[in-house]
Amino acid sequence: DSGVTQTPKHLITATGQRVTLRCSPRSGDLSVYWYQQSLDQGLQFLIQYYNGEERAKGNILERFSAQQFPDLHSELNLSSLELGDSALYFCASSVGADRNSPLHFGNGTRLTVT
Amino acid sequence: LAKTTQPISMDSYEGQEVNITCSHNNIATNDYITWYQQFPSQGPRFIIQGYKTKVTNEVASLFIPADRKSSTLSLPRVSLSDTAVYYCLVGLINNDMRFGAGTRLTVKP
Repeated sequence: DSGVTQTPKHLITATGQRVTLRCSPRSGDLSVYWYQQSLDQGLQFLIQYYNGEERAKGNILERFSAQQFPDLHSELNLSSLELGDSALYFCASSVGADRNSPLHFGNGTRLTVT
Repeated sequence: LAKTTQPISMDSYEGQEVNITCSHNNIATNDYITWYQQFPSQGPRFIIQGYKTKVTNEVASLFIPADRKSSTLSLPRVSLSDTAVYYCLVGLINNDMRFGAGTRLTVKP
């Protein structure tokens, strides 16, 4: 058990809809990362937050947004969903802001857009 | 194009040593090389991390040549439970952190 909790585990929704994925980091970790994993794109970095502030941005679409709250949990908001957004979304946490800090991953949220 | 490259798949037998190489020509000067293991329906799990030469822990070794343009994850005496996908993660000179596409290791009895 990595200590990182993601909810929900599964999500099925329709195109055009909006969903929110939730992540609670491991106790003591200040950084939260979001990754998208699909069969054709592998693990793609979306965004990193450190202690409430955006730290780094990857291949995150404008339709997607995230935030980290004062209690350090994070939410990833996906809007105007398209079929191609169907994927596994992972949250990971680490102690520091340094991108070389080992990541601790949750077990993901599987999003299916129909 | 800055990227990391790994073999798509590898097969091995129980008890053998397995070496998985990741190529990362454009690794950033100050960045480490990190390897993760992923089982189906789970998130990736940290295995080992290194900057140069050799690093060893209780589950694996990591070999990094002087030019740091590649790295090799070595799993000694694999068992069936080592069947998984293995990823390298590297920071690149374009400031991108890039996972390799993953190597699917199948260990046979």
